[in-house]
Amino acid sequence: DIQMTQSPSTLSASVGDRVTITCRASQSITGWLAWYQQKPGKAPKLLIYKASTLQSGVPSRFSGSGSGTEFTLAISSLQPDDFATYYCQQYDSPFTFGPGTKVDIK
Amino acid sequence: QITLKESGPTLVKPTQTLTLTCTFSGFSLSTSGVSVGWIRQPPGKALEWLALIYWNDDKRYSPSLKSRLTITKDASKKQVVLTMINMDPVDTATYYCALRAEFTSSLEYWGQGTLVTVSS
Repeated sequence: DIQMTQSPSTLSASVGDRVTITCRASQSITGWLAWYQQKPGKAPKLLIYKASTLQSGVPSRFSGSGSGTEFTLAISSLQPDDFATYYCQQYDSPFTFGPGTKVDIK
Repeated sequence: QITLKESGPTLVKPTQTLTLTCTFSGFSLSTSGVSVGWIRQPPGKALEWLALIYWNDDKRYSPSLKSRLTITKDASKKQVVLTMINMDPVDTATYYCALRAEFTSSLEYWGQGTLVTVSS
């Protein structure tokens, strides 16, 4: 089984900050990685797929990078709507989610 | 417009079998490349992928839950059914179904989720 880890587990930031979240896979997943945003009581929302491709309608302040076993989600300038929990997910074999990173207000 | 909606019991007793139905619209599960998955989330915890069924009836299961899960589809009814046997209180969670779109290969559309509580 492919295991996923994320760091940090919680991130406190202010509006306008640049934030980065790291996701690591226990073995190479090439670029088969997605990032999701989830707000309380809501279903997750796809932000990025294939490690770095922005889903349609997602603001350009979100970006993804990485390959192999290490991946990063960056938010260039944090907006009030971005306070949420973020999950990475590998879909190389077949699916595993990371444990999540909660972005809260500093 | 693509929509998915989960339905099923909100309360099940320990050792019982859970049956959840995902009813969808806006796409066909007979189309090559399309698949539908189930994901769950215990209260306050992370997402956990459970199962996936492809247009060609190929199926994939979470290794840790494989012995308890069965996923089936009825493309004509536009439904996907997940069955989980031997329910336990630790299975209390919100259960989601989601469309894995061929182009993104990711879970692009999600249902609203349904909370299932396991308690005697």
